[in-house]
Amino acid sequence: NAGVTQTPKFQVLKTGQSMTLQCAQDMNHNSMYWYRQDPGMGLRLIYYSASEGTTDKGEVPNGYNVSRLNKREFSLRLESAAPSQTSVYFCASGGEANTEAFFGQGTRLTVV
Amino acid sequence: GEDVEQSLFLSVREGDSSVINCTYTDSSSTYLYWYKQEPGAGLQLLTYIFSNMDMKQDQRLTVLLNKKDKHLSLRIADTQTGDSAIYFCAVPGGGSYIPTFGRGTSLIVHP
Repeated sequence: NAGVTQTPKFQVLKTGQSMTLQCAQDMNHNSMYWYRQDPGMGLRLIYYSASEGTTDKGEVPNGYNVSRLNKREFSLRLESAAPSQTSVYFCASGGEANTEAFFGQGTRLTVV
Repeated sequence: GEDVEQSLFLSVREGDSSVINCTYTDSSSTYLYWYKQEPGAGLQLLTYIFSNMDMKQDQRLTVLLNKKDKHLSLRIADTQTGDSAIYFCAVPGGGSYIPTFGRGTSLIVHP
C-alpha cells in the first residue's frame, strides 16, 4: 500500500530555475494539499485541491503554481526558484469528512 | 482563519511523563489531531479526539480537551527514547476541513 508518493526526495536548484514536484495518492481521496515546512514555522499550506479540477490558494501561495492532473495526482511547480523557497515540501491527501490526512515523505529542496 | 499555538521544545528524562500543550482559536472543529514526525520522515497520525470528549486514552497516550479554554494536550506516559520526535497539533477550523498545524513541539528524551 503506497499511500502518498512524492518525487523527487531531494533537489538542488539554482536561483531562477524551474521545477515541478510530483505527488500521487492511491487512496481515492478527493482532497490533496501541498505544505511547506520551515524550522520554527511548522507546516504552512501552499495550495490545496478539494476535488479533481479545482485548486485554491492556501496561506503562502506566492511563487508557486499547482495542477490537479486527475484524482490521483497533484503537482507543485516553481516557475523561478528563489532562495526563500528552500524548504521541505509535503504533499498530503484526505482530511475531508473529519478523517485523517496522509502525508508523503517530503521533498527537501535547496535553492542556491 | 484558525490559529494553533504550541511550545517549540520539551526535554524529559526516559521513564518520565511528557505533556505537550496546544491552544487553538476556532471551536467549530469536530476532530482534533496529534501527528508525529520522526527525523527525515513525513507526518503520521498519532491519535485524535472527538470534540464532544474530554479525554481519550490509548495505551501510553492520553489526550485531554478543554473546549472552554480551547486547550488540547497530549500526555505520553513512561516516555522512551524512541518517542523523540516533533509532535504537531492539527485543528480543522474556519468552517473548513483543512487541518491547520501548530509549529510543532520537538520532544527530546534523555537516557
